[in-house]
Amino acid sequence: SQQGEEDPQALSIQEGENATMNCSYKTSINNLQWYRQNSGRGLVHLILIRSNEREKHSGRLRVTLDTSKKSSSLLITASRAADTASYFCATDRSGGGADGLTFGKGTHLIIQP
Amino acid sequence: DGGITQSPKYLFRKEGQNVTLSCEQNLNHDAMYWYRQDPGQGLRLIYYSQIVNDFQKGDIAEGYSVSREKKESFPLTVTSAQKNPTAFYLCASSRDRVWYGYTFGSGTRLTVV
Repeated sequence: SQQGEEDPQALSIQEGENATMNCSYKTSINNLQWYRQNSGRGLVHLILIRSNEREKHSGRLRVTLDTSKKSSSLLITASRAADTASYFCATDRSGGGADGLTFGKGTHLIIQP
Repeated sequence: DGGITQSPKYLFRKEGQNVTLSCEQNLNHDAMYWYRQDPGQGLRLIYYSQIVNDFQKGDIAEGYSVSREKKESFPLTVTSAQKNPTAFYLCASSRDRVWYGYTFGSGTRLTVV
């Protein structure tokens, strides 16, 4: 079952611009996480935001969470070529998160030099 | 350095063969997971284990089997009953079921020939 859905599916911007991608989910969550995947590689954990948090920052990343709308956004500021990757949101599958995360299909981000 | 090691990186299977994908972690994590990723798709959960000698089916367990005899190891066997096994397989572990992100291996690409 797919809980999170990212939007847009693909995004192409110029280096230095900001990139925003969104995630919507269907059921209540304990937390929402964002991951990055470079082509042919494993996923890398970027940031986790708890259901009682509204905004969180980590370096050039800013994540927001709106539990009333069941949505989250990931903002990457001052993009770099190295940010080119696919970005996935993930939510816990049950109240305790014991059953593993559910991932969306991802947003493919291309940073053009 | 701590991490997760998946092997082999590439694996070719003939029709009707069983193959086993290795996943080893030295992070002292209790929980381990296997995901399958198809091109342009998100990750789908195959099996997960929260503790040694215990594991649970995920969304797409049919045609797969696992074991968890040691905390460090969570091998996945793709059996001949899996009708469409060609995919990218990712192993992950987590320190805590809910409040920490996952650490992923670099993946195994399985191709049926």
